Amino acid sequence: GENVEQHPSTLSVQEGDSAVIKCTYSDSASNYFPWYKQELGKRPQLIIDIRSNVGEKKDQRIAVTLNKTAKHFSLHITETQPEDSAVYFCAASSWSSGDKLTFGTGTRLAVRP
Amino acid sequence: GAVVSQHPSWVICKSGTSVKIECRSLDFQATTMFWYRQFPKQSLMLMATSNEGSKATYEQGVEKDKFLINHASLTLSTLTVTSAHPEDSSFYICSAPQGISNQPQHFGDGTRLSIL
Repeated sequence: GENVEQHPSTLSVQEGDSAVIKCTYSDSASNYFPWYKQELGKRPQLIIDIRSNVGEKKDQRIAVTLNKTAKHFSLHITETQPEDSAVYFCAASSWSSGDKLTFGTGTRLAVRP
Repeated sequence: GAVVSQHPSWVICKSGTSVKIECRSLDFQATTMFWYRQFPKQSLMLMATSNEGSKATYEQGVEKDKFLINHASLTLSTLTVTSAHPEDSSFYICSAPQGISNQPQHFGDGTRLSIL
């Protein structure tokens, strides 16, 4: 089955700086890669996703890049704000796995004011 | 946007009690729903895939007789934790993909289950 690794587990940045979170996956059949933000005690919220036919996607301060050859994808947050502080999860799925999401271990992001 | 409603949001009960959690897709039909469990400071772990009109598919290590799943309609899946024990205390979350293949999954608000 799929295995998703995520780094770093914790990340602390100064407000206004950029944050980068990296994930690798093992199943070459995976073709959908969402990123979720989860605040304490709440549901994961989709912040951006990318499909395997695209190498990069951007939505305002958030961007995701995908390298299918190396089987890794990254989340980039620019101009970080205190409200960006949360736990971020990457995930991967494939049609052949029935769209089951395999999540990374999570990154706790702290943005210092 | 698509909404998934999950109830109850919080349950505290005695050991040995069975607890039912409901997951509803409010404005779309979901032939498939997923049930996850999340322990404190850990990631979401898939427990099972709920299939409308057929048996659920359980992940390795998840006891199907312990975690009963019913998906009787295109908008409702239920998870029943039977004879719950303290080690079953966790955050249970359901999700449903809105479309077919590689579509965003919409998560319920989760149910915090505490077994005394």
